[in-house]
Amino acid sequence: ETGVTQSPTHLIKTRGQQVTLRCSSQSGHNTVSWYQQALGQGPQFIFQYYREEENGRGNFPPRFSGLQFPNYSSELNVNALELDDSALYLCASSLSGVTQYFGPGTRLTVL
Amino acid sequence: EDKVVQSPLSLVVHEGDTVTLNCSYEVTNFRSLLWYKQEKKAPTFLFMLTSSGIEKKSGRLSSILDKKELFSILNITATQTGDSAVYLCAAVQTGANNLFFGTGTRLTVIP
Repeated sequence: ETGVTQSPTHLIKTRGQQVTLRCSSQSGHNTVSWYQQALGQGPQFIFQYYREEENGRGNFPPRFSGLQFPNYSSELNVNALELDDSALYLCASSLSGVTQYFGPGTRLTVL
Repeated sequence: EDKVVQSPLSLVVHEGDTVTLNCSYEVTNFRSLLWYKQEKKAPTFLFMLTSSGIEKKSGRLSSILDKKELFSILNITATQTGDSAVYLCAAVQTGANNLFFGTGTRLTVIP
């Protein structure tokens, strides 16, 4: 059984640029959630996708957008990057349930 | 406003000590509470608690939920250096599958 994988591991961007982060869900899982974790804080919910449809969104602006593909992998896109977007971005997958299994994250630095 | 509060924020103990980590919550339509261990990046799932008063146990770790007083505790007995990590608790609301995290407790176990 393959766990949740994310790419890239690290990324450095400059303010105003756009970024795409990728996530492959655990085998058999149909739900993917994205979280932003700032240094010293708990993860904050960005949005969730279930069977390719957005299934809930946290308090993040529209420049945070996502996609889920038929194989249940997912992308997180962030436009017009700001310095405060620097964080660890975590993807978690689940099988239509509460218990979510996390990937290793992508560390994004915005300069 | 929904909130999850963990205490203490950080804790340093010696190997062999027993520790108790606290998580209190004020969340509308509360459904379940989850505990995760975060060593470097990926939070790893420990427990999910839905019913009050029923202890969940895994090796030296155990956890219990009190839905009347709105809190949960995570106990670790005979701590080892490998227990050093940030421990996160998260609440889930009825009708939603996103996790609402606290800021975590950083546990350091010294030999």
